[in-house]
Amino acid sequence: QKEVEQDPGPLSVPEGAIVSLNCTYSNSAFQYFMWYRQYSRKGPELLMYTYSSGNKEDGRFTAQVDKSSKYISLFIRDSQPSDSATYLCAMSEEGSQGNLIFGKGTKLSVKP
Amino acid sequence: GAVVSQHPSWVICKSGTSVKIECRSLDFQATTMFWYRQFPKQSLMLMATSNEGSKATYEQGVEKDKFLINHASLTLSTLTVTSAHPEDSSFYICSAPPGGGLYNEQFFGPGTRLTVL
Repeated sequence: QKEVEQDPGPLSVPEGAIVSLNCTYSNSAFQYFMWYRQYSRKGPELLMYTYSSGNKEDGRFTAQVDKSSKYISLFIRDSQPSDSATYLCAMSEEGSQGNLIFGKGTKLSVKP
Repeated sequence: GAVVSQHPSWVICKSGTSVKIECRSLDFQATTMFWYRQFPKQSLMLMATSNEGSKATYEQGVEKDKFLINHASLTLSTLTVTSAHPEDSSFYICSAPPGGGLYNEQFFGPGTRLTVL
């Protein structure tokens, strides 16, 4: 079993839809949870950063962490064609000195 | 926000040659930088941690003699792929946490696509 599981998609939604992206993990020691957006042939861009459990909101993006279920989510409201990209979840342990464990990424397409 | 650049953005080379990739933090100092490799439709995999002024730390299974890392200054780390072979073809990405910041809050470069013929 891989440490971080993420459905690769592709996921296609119409413009304006609410998008839900998810990752599950097996390592209960993970404390830091990140979501990155990666456009084709580009490096990942940090979208959301969360420590431990709870919710975090930034504009149209909401990140949720449920450590009891080992499940994290990213919601995108009022999705736009410019949101079309691959979304990667990443996690790390306390004191890991930057060793991020990434999911494979979910490819999202928002149709006009 | 913090900006990390990489050069070159893509490179094609013949098998057996060496290729150097540069990673620069443009508006902050980075005592630590990270090098990742990403194969098509795969996760980013950490290859090594680059430390300014000391030896790099390599992940299990990564050949340190093949992937030479030099962190010459607080804003520059280089990855040299020595004697490259077609199986080394991949997308190489570096990242850095802002100086003194949380290691987990990493900012990534745009990546370098290496194709070995």
